[in-house]
Amino acid sequence: AQSVSQHNHHVILSEAASLELGCNYSYGGTVNLFWYVQYPGQHLQLLLKYFSGDPLVKGIKGFEAEFIKSKFSFNLRKPSVQWSDTAEYSCAVTAINSGNTPLVFGKGTRLSVIA
Amino acid sequence: DAGVIQSPRHEVTEMGQEVTLRCKPISGHDYLFWYRQTMMRGLELLIYFNNNVPIDDSGMPEDRFSAKMPNASFSTLKIQPSEPRDSAVYFCASSYKRYTEAFFGQGTRLTVV
Repeated sequence: AQSVSQHNHHVILSEAASLELGCNYSYGGTVNLFWYVQYPGQHLQLLLKYFSGDPLVKGIKGFEAEFIKSKFSFNLRKPSVQWSDTAEYSCAVTAINSGNTPLVFGKGTRLSVIA
Repeated sequence: DAGVIQSPRHEVTEMGQEVTLRCKPISGHDYLFWYRQTMMRGLELLIYFNNNVPIDDSGMPEDRFSAKMPNASFSTLKIQPSEPRDSAVYFCASSYKRYTEAFFGQGTRLTVV
């Protein structure tokens, strides 16, 4: 079964700093990849997704993620964070064409942006 | 569509009591998922359904947990008896296909005292 690792439990950044959150998965076959965001007091929302094609995916609010198949990674990036980006970010993977459980999440990374 | 609807939003109950969480998925979605979210473990998949049929319940922690989906528009997650360690946020999500993105409800924050 696939698993997802998010390297940082809690990240603290100043406004305008650049962000990169790591996500690695363990599955050798074809996958669909997702980043979800959960703002304080709200439900999980899809930030971006990768199914196929260009490995650099752009999502909402200036976020992007790059799929590097050789590294089994799907890291999330943003060049300049804002206070409103304070949230919980979760990476998820679904293995295609397998009987594995779909939509397996990492443990999440809490991002705190300070002024 | 109103999205995935969960009820109640908050539940406080005493240890030993039965708790029932409810979920209405997005119409037309074939898959329904129940997740539990804690600080220590993040989002854990408890069980998922395809066309109302439970496919994988290996994430259900104990026999005290059970889930049903009697029809395409309603699912329940029941804990009986509840224990303090069950305190968490429980999310329901639905997706159109197995490999597409899931849409999440607002969650139910369960506190067992």
